[in-house]
Amino acid sequence: AQSVTQLGSHVSVSEGALVLLRCNYSSSVPPYLFWYVQYPNQGLQLLLKYTSAATLVKGINGFEAEFKKSETSFHLTKPSAHMSDAAEYFCAVSPYSSASKIIFGSGTRLSIRP
Amino acid sequence: EPEVTQTPSHQVTQMGQEVILRCVPISNHLYFYWYRQILGQKVEFLVSFYNNEISEKSEIFDDQFSVERPDGSNFTLKIRSTKLEDSAMYFCASTLGTSGETQYFGPGTRLLVL
Repeated sequence: AQSVTQLGSHVSVSEGALVLLRCNYSSSVPPYLFWYVQYPNQGLQLLLKYTSAATLVKGINGFEAEFKKSETSFHLTKPSAHMSDAAEYFCAVSPYSSASKIIFGSGTRLSIRP
Repeated sequence: EPEVTQTPSHQVTQMGQEVILRCVPISNHLYFYWYRQILGQKVEFLVSFYNNEISEKSEIFDDQFSVERPDGSNFTLKIRSTKLEDSAMYFCASTLGTSGETQYFGPGTRLLVL
């Protein structure tokens, strides 16, 4: 069964530091991969998605992720953290097509230290 | 920019009561979904709907749940007899379904069952 595993339920970085949120996927077919962000008491906002085009995907708010098939990873990075990046981040996979259900990881809460 | 809307934003109900959560998907979208997120947990898929019928459902989506597209714009989730464990945030999503197309999520309805 397709799934995603997010390593680290909570990540804390200093403002201006590199953000790295880890995600590994399990899929028997080339998947669609996503990162969603959820700010407190809000809905889910798409940060970026991989759909088998370029392996380095750029998203909103300066985030990017790299699809590495050999490592089955899709880690999310941002070179310089901002206080407004504090939120819950979900890695997700849609196994068959963009019309398939999305399977979410357990989430990583990102905290930013001043 | 088109968006998925959901009403109400919050609903409090007594155990055993019926609730209907409403969603207005993006107008030209063809695939519709409900997900839920119990407080502090990950987002879980409930059901997908296409061409006026359920295309996939999870084990959570038992006989207490039903979905309907009563007209050309609304998509509803009915819980027939609510239980305490139905307390969660419920998200509606929709997509056009073509290759690479994103699922767009609504802001959610927070359901509290007392």
